Amino acid sequence: DGGITQSPKYLFRKEGQNVTLSCEQNLNHDAMYWYRQDPGQGLRLIYYSQIVNDFQKGDIAEGYSVSREKKESFPLTVTSAQKNPTAFYLCASKRERSTDTQYFGPGTRLTVL
Amino acid sequence: EDKVVQSPLSLVVHEGDTVTLNCSYEVTNFRSLLWYKQEKKAPTFLFMLTSSGIEKKSGRLSSILDKKELFSILNITATQTGDSAVYLCAVPRGNNNDMRFGAGTRLTVKP
Repeated sequence: DGGITQSPKYLFRKEGQNVTLSCEQNLNHDAMYWYRQDPGQGLRLIYYSQIVNDFQKGDIAEGYSVSREKKESFPLTVTSAQKNPTAFYLCASKRERSTDTQYFGPGTRLTVL
Repeated sequence: EDKVVQSPLSLVVHEGDTVTLNCSYEVTNFRSLLWYKQEKKAPTFLFMLTSSGIEKKSGRLSSILDKKELFSILNITATQTGDSAVYLCAVPRGNNNDMRFGAGTRLTVKP
């Protein structure tokens, strides 16, 4: 089946710990994105990558890091520097630069205790 | 600054009602506007609109764009409980190739 997968579905961490969220796609999409969703605020862009080995900061990149070593994978690390990490994290991908439609994974709900 | 504003933020209706959701936008170098439906997890794509005045339709859902007044509406006729979801509006931004999302409209359809 083609699609975007995120793991884990739910994640609990203690304050001060780094945590890495997985995002994998087998759609052969070029661009990948990470969003954070908080209640009442819609989706806010954390990082995006249009090509392997290249990525750009979004609107709220502080306290997060990413890598894009393979086309299929775009993991997000939530570091201890992120002040309020508890949120729902969504990964998306898009076929190429000239198209606008992004397709989303099922999300990871991160709770920091 | 690029902005996407949706209204209302929440809406409660009964099965069979018709609803209209609104999305207004201000972005540089506008290319398109997208609607997504989000139930529990992943937003699923509904429509992409690029031209003014041309209605896109899928079953009981339809949407139209007004590029002069900078807004779009999403209509749902004969609503069903399965239409209950958050509806998100998004606009690709300028040259960054990412999207600005509105806060969403939470629709609840009661039996």
